[in-house]
Amino acid sequence: EAGVTQSPTHLIKTRGQQVTLRCSPISGHTSVYWYQQALGLGLQFLLWYDEGEERNRGNFPPRFSGRQFPNYSSELNVNALELEDSALYLCASSSYRGGDYGYTFGSGTRLTVV
Amino acid sequence: KNQVEQSPQSLIILEGKNCTLQCNYTVSPFSNLRWYKQDTGRGPVSLTIMTFSENTKSNGRYTATLDADTKQSSLHITASQLSDSASYICVVSQKTGANNLFFGTGTRLTVIP
Repeated sequence: EAGVTQSPTHLIKTRGQQVTLRCSPISGHTSVYWYQQALGLGLQFLLWYDEGEERNRGNFPPRFSGRQFPNYSSELNVNALELEDSALYLCASSSYRGGDYGYTFGSGTRLTVV
Repeated sequence: KNQVEQSPQSLIILEGKNCTLQCNYTVSPFSNLRWYKQDTGRGPVSLTIMTFSENTKSNGRYTATLDADTKQSSLHITASQLSDSASYICVVSQKTGANNLFFGTGTRLTVIP
């Protein structure tokens, strides 16, 4: 069974640019979660998508947005990049709303904003 | 306030030695607790998951314990190996609602030869 796949693995962007990160969940999983992990810090919840809809979002500005496609893959978009957006962005998928089933994480996308 | 606190923040041990990592939580109502291992720059990988009724669960050299009364969990690593060097994250699920995961900030373990 293929795991959660994220692309690209690494990315360097300039301040003010826009970026799109992609995530493909495990087959059969309908929920996709996005987390930000700044260097040396814990995971911060960004967004949760389930069945194509945004179900919840964390305490991040509106320039962080995303969507989920009919095949349950997801994109995370970040506009007007700032230096502090540099982080590891992790995607996780689950087959159940609410965390009673296992969350499986992807390997992440390392975003560096210069 | 629902929180997960881990200690120590970082730990250095000699290869072959044992160690114990701690996780205290105030998440309520409690659903389950997971320990994840995260190698640098990689996504977290699940080690164990424990529900309210489970006290101990092992996964190879990793043994997790849970005391639901005191809301404490520990992860014990025996006969450490260099490959155990990673961050270990405690994640607690809340019983109600969705996307109800609460993450600890992790313990950074370094195993040296």
